[in-house]
Amino acid sequence: EVQLVESGGGLVQPGGSLRLSCAASGFTFSSYEMNWVRQAPGKGLEWVSYISSSGSTIYYADSVKGRFTISRDNAKNSLYLQMNSLRAEDTAVYYCARASQEAGYDYWGQGTLVTVSS
Amino acid sequence: AIRMTQSPSSFSASTGDRVTITCRASQGISSYLAWYQQKPGKAPKLLIYAASTLQSGVPSRFSGSGSGTDFTLTISCLQSEDFATYYCQQYYSYPSFGQGTKVEIK
Repeated sequence: EVQLVESGGGLVQPGGSLRLSCAASGFTFSSYEMNWVRQAPGKGLEWVSYISSSGSTIYYADSVKGRFTISRDNAKNSLYLQMNSLRAEDTAVYYCARASQEAGYDYWGQGTLVTVSS
Repeated sequence: AIRMTQSPSSFSASTGDRVTITCRASQGISSYLAWYQQKPGKAPKLLIYAASTLQSGVPSRFSGSGSGTDFTLTISCLQSEDFATYYCQQYYSYPSFGQGTKVEIK
């Protein structure tokens, strides 16, 4: 069974940092592209970042470029999101999502809540 | 950035109704479009990809159509478990989602 389990969310002050993790199981993690998607309270979905299966290609949304860093450890079946210089508008549930080849995001984690507030 | 616009933003319907949600892209995206269903407190669920291909395990009452800039999601016979929010997503370039369409019980 495919599982994606996020962790690392919590309350952080503006300007602070947080590192999210996504533990993958039930599939060959190193064969899949991965993404982070977030959802602010009561709002819609916003794509945050993409990483290729090898980690060699990375993209970011303009809203987080220069502040967030996506990475992966295929040996540990894990995806990460390092978030620096956090702002109130980064408050959201963060989901990791598996990208199926030209077929959307077929598996999602349960999400982890990040709250940026003083 | 490609902007995705869904309509309507919300509407009320009854069990058994046929409902259609529209998604328009600000530029052509071929068929690189997916539809997701999200229920409160849950992660999104993939329904349709490549504009019209049903994801494995998704009931056949869901269907998708369109290409280029205009797309539709149709639920042929609304069931109680279908009351949710639906999002379209383009993956032609940097991914982007529509703002969502909430389907409520009439």
